[in-house]
Amino acid sequence: EAGVTQFPSHSVIEKGQTVTLRCDPISGHDNLYWYRRVMGKEIKFLLHFVKESKQDESGMPNNRFLAERTGGTYSTLKVQPAELEDSGVYFCASSQTGGTEAFFGQGTRLTVV
Amino acid sequence: AQTVTQSQPEMSVQEAETVTLSCTYDTSESDYYLFWYKQPPSRQMILVIRQEAYKQQNATENRFSVNFQKAAKSFSLKISDSQLGDAAMYFCAYRSALNSNSGYALNFGKGTSLLVTP
Repeated sequence: EAGVTQFPSHSVIEKGQTVTLRCDPISGHDNLYWYRRVMGKEIKFLLHFVKESKQDESGMPNNRFLAERTGGTYSTLKVQPAELEDSGVYFCASSQTGGTEAFFGQGTRLTVV
Repeated sequence: AQTVTQSQPEMSVQEAETVTLSCTYDTSESDYYLFWYKQPPSRQMILVIRQEAYKQQNATENRFSVNFQKAAKSFSLKISDSQLGDAAMYFCAYRSALNSNSGYALNFGKGTSLLVTP
């Protein structure tokens, strides 16, 4: 069974540009999470989907970040326009309803220059 | 809010030796889960071991075991017979057992980078 996959693995963009990150969760997992790790700091929660609905987006930094999960399958996280402080590694994770374990993707390393 | 603290940014261990990674957390909840995740360089983060707070017995997975001290809010990871493949970033994480607005989001520490030397 395929794990959580994220695209791209790396992205380098200029300040002011737009970037879209994608996450494909494990098939059948209703819960999908986005996290971010800024260099040297903790991995921080961004938001949580249950199927296609946003259950909690309290961790989203600001309105330059937009997450979607159309049809309750894959999810995208768009940053527009990107700023230097958005650089970091963005992780996606998924879990089953009632499951205690979250399965993570390999992350997308975003560098804004 | 729950916080997780990993006080060791880097640790080093020789092959076949034992190493202990520290983790403390702060919470007012009585029921929760604790995890250790491992992320090898450029690879997925994978679950190493999990502990339910209501269980007194320390979790064990092969060469990995935890020392869970609930009163002290401490959750250290012991790696026995260390192998080169154990080299990775290790993250300690907390998850509430309650269904809250944040669902089952994890609270992570900053991570400990483990180097394994031959």
